Amino acid sequence: AQSVSQHNHHVILSEAASLELGCNYSYGGTVNLFWYVQYPGQHLQLLLKYFSGDPLVKGIKGFEAEFIKSKFSFNLRKPSVQWSDTAEYFCAVTYNAGGTSYGKLTFGQGTILTVHP
Amino acid sequence: DTGVSQNPRHKITKRGQNVTFRCDPISEHNRLYWYRQTLGQGPEFLTYFQNEAQLEKSRLLSDRFSAERPKGSFSTLEIQRTEQGDSAMYLCASSLVRTGGTEAFFGQGTRLTVV
Repeated sequence: AQSVSQHNHHVILSEAASLELGCNYSYGGTVNLFWYVQYPGQHLQLLLKYFSGDPLVKGIKGFEAEFIKSKFSFNLRKPSVQWSDTAEYFCAVTYNAGGTSYGKLTFGQGTILTVHP
Repeated sequence: DTGVSQNPRHKITKRGQNVTFRCDPISEHNRLYWYRQTLGQGPEFLTYFQNEAQLEKSRLLSDRFSAERPKGSFSTLEIQRTEQGDSAMYLCASSLVRTGGTEAFFGQGTRLTVV
């Protein structure tokens, strides 16, 4: 079965520190990759996505992620975090066949990010 | 707000009772998904519909669970004879299927507590 692994359960940073959250997936075929964020008390929101093309994708709020196919990885980065980035972050994958995404997301376990002011 | 809407937001029920949740997707979206999320875990896929057809069900979806999407619009998820292990956040998402990739938009979820 396909799986997604996030390396860190809880990351604690001070404001202005750089962030990198690891994500690896197990499927060897064509994938679509996503990072979702869940702020306290809110619903899952899409941060960024990779479908094809440039493996470095930029999302909202200064986040970016790099797809490295050879490593089955899609790590999330931000050069300088803010207190408002405190949230839970989920990496997710959908698996494609014949150019059409199945659409069913497989999620990682999530990483809680706490940013101290 | 024209996002995905779920009702109720919270449900407390006694073990053995039946519960039903509703999801209203984004209007032009043809796919609708149900996920379950427990504390400390990412959402887990339960089932999905393309229009009114239920195309896939997870092994997590026991016989006590049933989902419908009449006329390809809103969807309901019913749990019969609830058990304490059913306590979780139930998430609905919708998407517009297209070649090349599709992204899902999530509702705020229904938190079920079985006592």
